[in-house]
Amino acid sequence: DAKTTQPTSMDCAEGRAANLPCNHSTISGNEYVYWYRQIHSQGPQYIIHGLKNNETNEMASLIITEDRKSSTLILPHATLRDTAVYYCIVRVADNAGNMLTFGGGTRLMVKP
Amino acid sequence: NAGVTQTPKFRILKIGQSMTLQCTQDMNHNYMYWYRQDPGMGLKLIYYSVGAGITDKGEVPNGYNVSRSTTEDFPLRLELAAPSQTSVYFCASSYSASGSYEQYFGPGTRLTVT
Repeated sequence: DAKTTQPTSMDCAEGRAANLPCNHSTISGNEYVYWYRQIHSQGPQYIIHGLKNNETNEMASLIITEDRKSSTLILPHATLRDTAVYYCIVRVADNAGNMLTFGGGTRLMVKP
Repeated sequence: NAGVTQTPKFRILKIGQSMTLQCTQDMNHNYMYWYRQDPGMGLKLIYYSVGAGITDKGEVPNGYNVSRSTTEDFPLRLELAAPSQTSVYFCASSYSASGSYEQYFGPGTRLTVT
């Protein structure tokens, strides 16, 4: 699986958009970009994933660059409850168990 | 749906004791996983299962055993507990037919070995 690089921490004002970057310069053509988050003391929570095209769901948007070497997770209107560690994971979606390799992630602090 | 449930929430073991961490999911997911998370670190995969009767090792399987006799249950067994097994243990499940393989996690079991 391709390695990812994320900033260690970020701050965001409540109500503003939070933009979390992720570099994955060695990504392969069949690897997806997944985002999960982990709120303190809880299990990780799936947010969104994508292959090439930008994706949006009720939680967030995922913007993937044309060369697929980097991506950005956007929380459009961050709330205090979005304070968490956000993990960017690059992974092949196949039938072989789809293990997730979690790195250090980005600790997002949403401030009032 | 309750999703993924884990018991117990907390446990303290003495060195050399054994225990089983329980995990149950009610989403009819075929894939299930066990991860551990040490303080300040990311998750590491211990074991996974792609269906009842099938299990396979992950990144850090030593000191653990699993079984998958039903679709719903995936217990993790610790034999001869060691201080290095102090961690938070998360169980997860996913559904291969969804195409996206997103994993759903339980609330975790916090284990201390002293």
